[in-house]
Amino acid sequence: QVQLVESGGGVVQPGRSLRLSCAASGFTFSSYGMHWVRQATGKGLEWVAVISYDGRNKYYADSVKGRFTISRDNSQNTLYLQMNSLRAEDTAVYYCAKDFVSACTSGHCSSTRLGWYFDLWGRGTLVTVSS
Amino acid sequence: QSALTQPPSVSGSPGQSVTISCTGTSSDVGGYNRVSWYRQPPGTAPKLILYEVTNRPLGVPDRFSGSKSGNTATLTISGLQAEDEADYYCSSYTSSSTFVVFGGGTKLTVL
Repeated sequence: QVQLVESGGGVVQPGRSLRLSCAASGFTFSSYGMHWVRQATGKGLEWVAVISYDGRNKYYADSVKGRFTISRDNSQNTLYLQMNSLRAEDTAVYYCAKDFVSACTSGHCSSTRLGWYFDLWGRGTLVTVSS
Repeated sequence: QSALTQPPSVSGSPGQSVTISCTGTSSDVGGYNRVSWYRQPPGTAPKLILYEVTNRPLGVPDRFSGSKSGNTATLTISGLQAEDEADYYCSSYTSSSTFVVFGGGTKLTVL
């Protein structure tokens, strides 16, 4: 079954840390860039970060740069988001999302090959930052 | 304030067509064809319905179509159905340090 399942959300105090996980199944995880996208309650979507298929390239939204770290373990088909120095404005549902474009074509893979759009989403995990 | 501008709401009767606009700048919508659209029914995750302005993923009906002119992309839904009620978001790659920007979302009501 093709799916993404997030975990690790919860209630955390401002300034503390939290690590989210996203377990992938049903597709070749190691061939795709992966993203985190968040959505505050009743608000729109906000892109957070992306990691290339091999973990070499990582890019972040300005709002989380220097505080959040995206990583992946291709042997475990798992994506992570380490969130440090959390703020109230980080409160949101966090979705992991698969990039539409495969980084690998005709046996050649490129860490810069990204579509920057998302064809598979998890159900999300809620992060609440509150004292 | 979202980087891309969408109308907060649109409505239409079953069988009619509606359009949702998405206005950005030459740094995003106008500069790249990496415009995508997502549909999000209440309480669920978003689902990709269009990518690269006009392309539909497998399984998305051809009632959903897209176009772009200058800095504005447009989603058209024809033959409206009750199950089309949802929030719709546009997105674009951007040359800014943010990499990806979304619109604020448009709530579609089927009358």
